Amino acid sequence: GEDVEQSLFLSVREGDSSVINCTYTDSSSTYLYWYKQEPGAGLQLLTYIFSNMDMKQDQRLTVLLNKKDKHLSLRIADTQTGDSAIYFCAESCGYNKLIFGAGTRLAVHP
Amino acid sequence: DGGITQSPKYLFRKEGQNVTLSCEQNLNHDAMYWYRQDPGQGLRLIYYSQIVNDFQKGDIAEGYSVSREKKESFPLTVTSAQKNPTAFYLCASLRQGSNQPQHFGDGTRLSIL
Repeated sequence: GEDVEQSLFLSVREGDSSVINCTYTDSSSTYLYWYKQEPGAGLQLLTYIFSNMDMKQDQRLTVLLNKKDKHLSLRIADTQTGDSAIYFCAESCGYNKLIFGAGTRLAVHP
Repeated sequence: DGGITQSPKYLFRKEGQNVTLSCEQNLNHDAMYWYRQDPGQGLRLIYYSQIVNDFQKGDIAEGYSVSREKKESFPLTVTSAQKNPTAFYLCASLRQGSNQPQHFGDGTRLSIL
C-alpha cells in the first residue's frame, strides 16, 4: 500500500539551510505536498509540486522531486527560529485523499 | 475571511459517553475530511465526504460516525466504542477538481476524564 517516510528530527543553526527529506511509494501520485504544523495548531500548506516537475522555488523554500527514486525534499534557506515546527510530507492518492508521513520536527537554535 | 472552523478547541469525554466535534467551512468546498493525529505519527484518515449526504470510511473509521447534511458542515461523533479516543482531530476541506490542496482547521484536542 501507500507509505510516506520521513526522518523524525532535524536540528539546525539559525541562518543555515535546512533540508527535510521524504520518500513515498505511490508512483501514480499526482501532487506531493509540504505542510507545516506549529504547536497546538492545524496544518498550514507551505508548498506543493506537480509530479511532472523536478523543482519548485518559492521565496526561501525549494522543493526537489526525484520521481525515479520517489524522493522529495524541502530546503529552507536562511532558517529562522520562527521556522521551528513539525513539517509533514504528503502524497495524493485516489479521491483527493492524502497519505501523510509521520512528520519531521525542525529545531532551530542560535 | 473564508476558512475552516473547528470547535471546541479542547474537549473532554467521560467513559461511555459520545462526543461530537464540529467542523464548518465557508469556502464553498465540496469535499471534507476528518483526520486523527497521535504524537509522533502522521495524520490518519477517519472519514471523508465528497458531496452532501454521502460519505466514506477512511483507514480508521471504527468507533466514529459522521453526517453531511449541509455542504458547510461535517460533524464527527466519537462514540463510546472508540476505546482510545485521546488525540488531536483535524478537519480539512477541498474544492473538487480544482487541483488545489486540502485546507485544514485548527484542530480539536480530545482527552479522556
